[in-house]
Amino acid sequence: AQTVTQSQPEMSVQEAETVTLSCTYDTSESDYYLFWYKQPPSRQMILVIRQEAYKQQNATENRFSVNFQKAAKSFSLKISDSQLGDAAMYFCAVFGGTSYGKLTFGQGTILTVHP
Amino acid sequence: GAVVSQHPSWVICKSGTSVKIECRSLDFQATTMFWYRQFPKQSLMLMATSNEGSKATYEQGVEKDKFLINHASLTLSTLTVTSAHPEDSSFYICSASDRQGAGKTQYFGPGTRLLVL
Repeated sequence: AQTVTQSQPEMSVQEAETVTLSCTYDTSESDYYLFWYKQPPSRQMILVIRQEAYKQQNATENRFSVNFQKAAKSFSLKISDSQLGDAAMYFCAVFGGTSYGKLTFGQGTILTVHP
Repeated sequence: GAVVSQHPSWVICKSGTSVKIECRSLDFQATTMFWYRQFPKQSLMLMATSNEGSKATYEQGVEKDKFLINHASLTLSTLTVTSAHPEDSSFYICSASDRQGAGKTQYFGPGTRLLVL
């Protein structure tokens, strides 16, 4: 079984500032992957960043980086130099399992960016 | 790369009719496709997983006869909502993954808004 918990239903940040979105997860799989997706008002799900659980190094993608704490089962997303276009619902997700693994999503965090 | 299309983007139908939604992977072979349902401001709920050439695996509580899934090729999966009723109105999203690619990443279609009158 897999569970993902996002404890912040809503967050806000000033443009150009930094914000961190929290995520904790639980999985019985030894081999799993972690993702952050964003869903803007268009409702298109967009991959933000991906982390392989076996890698110790935190993933980064331009202004987006993660803090992956495997022992604590924590996977937070940091957005630096926030932009108006970053406003969206952000979902943390874990993929575990072999041939028929599933992607389990958290409840989502609505991020508002103030100009 | 990794583009998934979905058609139609929105559909309005009368109660009792059937609606078919297509999901296509445009630039990669999708060994597995997934169908989700999402209500406003809520998370995605997995409905079923389909592998090319195999029967779909449905999540608990999802009616197989209500939501027919076909994954006939490596680039196309369809979801048919049979005898649709107003409670089936929702946002349906498909995703596709290429297990040959890195990290079992799922790429999502733009979604289909279904309104049943």
